[in-house]
Amino acid sequence: EIVLTQSPGTLSLSPGDRATLSCRASQSVSSSSLGWYQQKPGQAPRPLIYGAFSGATAIADRFVGSGSGTDFTLTINRLEPEDFAVYYCQQYGSSPITFGQGTRLEIK
Amino acid sequence: EVQLLESGGGLVQPGGSLRLSCAASGFTFSNFAMRWFRQSPGKGLEWVSSISDGGDVITYSDSVKGRFTISRDNPNNTLYLQMNSLRADDTAVYYCTKRSDDTGYSDYWGQGTLVTVSS
Repeated sequence: EIVLTQSPGTLSLSPGDRATLSCRASQSVSSSSLGWYQQKPGQAPRPLIYGAFSGATAIADRFVGSGSGTDFTLTINRLEPEDFAVYYCQQYGSSPITFGQGTRLEIK
Repeated sequence: EVQLLESGGGLVQPGGSLRLSCAASGFTFSNFAMRWFRQSPGKGLEWVSSISDGGDVITYSDSVKGRFTISRDNPNNTLYLQMNSLRADDTAVYYCTKRSDDTGYSDYWGQGTLVTVSS
């Protein structure tokens, strides 16, 4: 099983800042099968990024995914008030599908 | 517009059973694999089970294998999760998701249904 470790656990920033979220895998993620999700309280996870860097449907271009192998990054440029939420990485290239524990992005 | 609507959650005693349903619309259901995930406060997001478009390839997480059964009714665009021998640690919000055909990730999620296992 691939274990995903996200850092930091909590990130405190202001609107307009840039957020950098990290996801490290215990072994190489096949075919860059790494995705990112955003989740707000009481809502389902919302797909943001798939294939490590491809934007999901209707996702703003300020959300940028990068990385390969075992190290992946989600960068959110010019934070908007609606971006403050919990973010999860997920690998879906190997069974079982696994998630990171999440990074909480909060308003400073 | 793709929509996934889960139902069937509720309060059940340990050892009991529950069947979740997921009504799909807005896409050709029979062409896509589907998955169930769950989320509990103590364990975060967890994959539960997957089923291929035709229903012939099925996989389960170790935590539910032998107790849960995934199935689908393609003519009626519905996904199911039969849950037996429920335990307290099965308490979670259960999400139905559509698997993207070419990329493999879950591109659409339902709103979730809450399952609470408690006496």
